[in-house]
Amino acid sequence: EVQLVESGGGLVQPGGSLRLSCAASGFTFSSYWMSWVRQAPGKGLEWVANIKQDGSEKYYVDSVKGRFTISRDNAKNSLYLQMNSLRAEDTAVYYCARDLGDYGDYQDYWGQGTLVTVSS
Amino acid sequence: NFMLTQPHSVSESPGKTVTISCTRSSGSIASNYVQWYQQRPGSAPTTVIYEDNQRPSGVPDRFSGSIDSSSNSASLTISGLKTEDEADYYCQSYDSSNRRVFGGGTKLTVL
Repeated sequence: EVQLVESGGGLVQPGGSLRLSCAASGFTFSSYWMSWVRQAPGKGLEWVANIKQDGSEKYYVDSVKGRFTISRDNAKNSLYLQMNSLRAEDTAVYYCARDLGDYGDYQDYWGQGTLVTVSS
Repeated sequence: NFMLTQPHSVSESPGKTVTISCTRSSGSIASNYVQWYQQRPGSAPTTVIYEDNQRPSGVPDRFSGSIDSSSNSASLTISGLKTEDEADYYCQSYDSSNRRVFGGGTKLTVL
């Protein structure tokens, strides 16, 4: 059974940093692109970033470029999102998701999410 | 950049059939696969349709997906509606510039 478990969310002040983690199990983690997708309170889904199987390619939504960094550790079956210079508009539930497609174009399995709140 | 436009809400009675549309603003709907995700209140999204019309294992055949090049749109059709189908539904697609876009979501109410 595919399982994705996020952790690391919490309350952080504007301008602060946070690192999210996602522990994957039930599939060969190193064979899949992986994504982070977020959902602001009461809003829709927004794709944030994804990373190739070997970490050699990474893509970001424009609003987080230069502030967020996606990474992975295939030996630990783990995905990460380093978030710096956080803003109020980054407040959201962040989901880890497994990707399909040639460039990780869409998601098939999702974790339960971790809430990030950016507020003073 | 392209957008995916969905109706804000739809409602229908149990046992009936409902169709949710997803219109692509630019670029051909047929150029890149469309996915549909179901999100029940307080839960994470789950995939109900991928690659335009494919159902993951475990998703009932009451759920079906299609695309219409003439209207540049995709559709999710749910037949034999059940109260458990009440949820938000999101379409998703992408383009060759590595943009991955979700529609704004449609709230399905099963009266």
